[in-house]
Amino acid sequence: GAVVSQHPSWVICKSGTSVKIECRSLDFQATTMFWYRQFPKQSLMLMATSNEGSKATYEQGVEKDKFLINHASLTLSTLTVTSAHPEDSSFYICSARGTNTGDTEAFFGQGTRLTVV
Amino acid sequence: GQNIDQPTEMTATEGAIVQINCTYQTSGFNGLFWYQQHAGEAPTFLSYNVLDGLEEKGRFSSFLSRSKGYSYLLLKELQMKDSASYLCAVMDSNYQLIWGAGTKLIIKP
Repeated sequence: GAVVSQHPSWVICKSGTSVKIECRSLDFQATTMFWYRQFPKQSLMLMATSNEGSKATYEQGVEKDKFLINHASLTLSTLTVTSAHPEDSSFYICSARGTNTGDTEAFFGQGTRLTVV
Repeated sequence: GQNIDQPTEMTATEGAIVQINCTYQTSGFNGLFWYQQHAGEAPTFLSYNVLDGLEEKGRFSSFLSRSKGYSYLLLKELQMKDSASYLCAVMDSNYQLIWGAGTKLIIKP
């Protein structure tokens, strides 16, 4: 299957700093990328959907000024957690969907565990 | 509203068979996915059903009935490594994935 690479796998940062997470589709072009967060023992929660070259669509309750998403190319999307606080500590996962007609499966990155201290 | 229901937790014995059910109510339907997620890891794709019937892939099979809004994931010859959460997700008319809360499967020796 297609490969989505997410970096970093884990990060610890100080409260008040910003953290950038990258999501790359390595062997296919991704029209759409999804960003999720997952708290322990809970299901995935969709944060936003980004389409290449346009602004991300955020889910209700997700602060777009805090979670900045950039999808500048068909192979890269970034999520920046700005002014991080301990409550932002979570598991962040991206997934990407291809550009070909009929592409329905979204492939997941390996996730980023963010700890804000 | 859109809703995906699956049991919270199931327990089975190594070597046995287990069926994880998923029922859904969504605005439109463009397929149903099953993912496996081990603790602390991202989900991995198991199966995709868009037509009614049974799809078999080795020890794992997935069934879909669109008229009933129902699917199940069948795991045979259970192994300890199958202990994980199993997520059911439906792609709606906007091609957005609607996720179930996941079923935690515990395998006992």
